[in-house]
Amino acid sequence: GENVEQHPSTLSVQEGDSAVIKCTYSDSASNYFPWYKQELGKRPQLIIDIRSNVGEKKDQRIAVTLNKTAKHFSLHITETQPEDSAVYFCAASKGSASKIIFGSGTRLSIRP
Amino acid sequence: GAVVSQHPSWVICKSGTSVKIECRSLDFQATTMFWYRQFPKQSLMLMATSNEGSKATYEQGVEKDKFLINHASLTLSTLTVTSAHPEDSSFYICSARVVKRTGNYGYTFGSGTRLTVV
Repeated sequence: GENVEQHPSTLSVQEGDSAVIKCTYSDSASNYFPWYKQELGKRPQLIIDIRSNVGEKKDQRIAVTLNKTAKHFSLHITETQPEDSAVYFCAASKGSASKIIFGSGTRLSIRP
Repeated sequence: GAVVSQHPSWVICKSGTSVKIECRSLDFQATTMFWYRQFPKQSLMLMATSNEGSKATYEQGVEKDKFLINHASLTLSTLTVTSAHPEDSSFYICSARVVKRTGNYGYTFGSGTRLTVV
């Protein structure tokens, strides 16, 4: 089955700097890659997603890149702010009726 | 739109008792519901996939007789933790697949249930 690996497990950056979180997936049939932000005790919130027909997507300070050949995808957050502090999960899915498999998560801390 | 309402948000039960968690899709029909479990500081681990009107598909290592899933209608899926033990204490969360106006699909999550077994 699909396996999603995520790095780093923790990340601390200075406010205003950029943060990058990387994921790899194992199943080449995966075609949907969402990123979620989760605050303690709450549901995951979708922050951006990318499908396999594009290589990059951007939404204000957040961007995601996808390399299908290498089976890598990354989340980039620029101009980080204190409210960006949370746990971020990458995930992968193979199709419209398929389950999402989550990465292990990255705890992002923004230093003031 | 595409809201999944999950109840209860938290529950404390005694060892050996059963607990039912409900997820309702409020403004769409959820043909497929995914159930996840999340232990503290860990990722969301898929437990099972339920399809309306059919038996759930359980992930390897998940006891189907302990975690009973029912998806009898297009708007309601339930997870019952039977004979709960302290090691079942966790955050349980459901997720439904949603088809967007663009034709693309996404997933929407319930708010989660914090289960504590004492």
